[in-house]
Amino acid sequence: NAGVMQNPRHLVRRRGQEARLRCSPMKGHSHVYWYRQLPEEGLKFMVYLQKENIIDESGMPKERFSAEFPKEGPSILRIQQVVRGDSAAYFCASSPAPNPDSPLHFGNGTRLTVT
Amino acid sequence: AQTVTQSQPEMSVQEAETVTLSCTYDTSESNYYLFWYKQPPSRQMILVIRQEAYKQQNATENRFSVNFQKAAKSFSLKISDSQLGDTAMYFCAFMGYGQNFVFGPGTRLSVLP
Repeated sequence: NAGVMQNPRHLVRRRGQEARLRCSPMKGHSHVYWYRQLPEEGLKFMVYLQKENIIDESGMPKERFSAEFPKEGPSILRIQQVVRGDSAAYFCASSPAPNPDSPLHFGNGTRLTVT
Repeated sequence: AQTVTQSQPEMSVQEAETVTLSCTYDTSESNYYLFWYKQPPSRQMILVIRQEAYKQQNATENRFSVNFQKAAKSFSLKISDSQLGDTAMYFCAFMGYGQNFVFGPGTRLSVLP
């Protein structure tokens, strides 16, 4: 049973370009969470999605950021017109249910560098 | 809103000794869960141990144990017989039922040979 798969592992974008980060949850998991980790800081919640639905996007910036988790395929975190401040590690986590009896399983993250 | 605080940005311990990492949190809920996650240099997030708030008995996983003080809203992690492989960032996390995880800022632990 493969774990949570994130790709790419590293992504370099110039200012103004778009960044697309992909996350394939563990098999059987329908709940996906995205977190951002700035250098030397903890993980900050961005968005929580269930298949085809955004449940909570309270941690996601209102502009330039969007997320989706379609019925088929991976969850996508999209950042439009990237700026240097978007440089961070972006982690995806999945669980089979949104409760603490199902701890989060994390991917290895995507490190985004904006030049 | 829940908050999680880790007051020790960095700690070090000699190999084979014991170290305790501190975590405090703030919540108005009575039923919740607490976790410690480890992030080694590989950046992977690894669940170390979890505690259910309604259980008074402290959780234990091999060399890892917690001291859960519900009234004080404290949840410290004790690592016994520290090993070089324990070198990592350690994050304390809170989850209320049906809610998202809230992580603390982390403690960087270095195990010295």
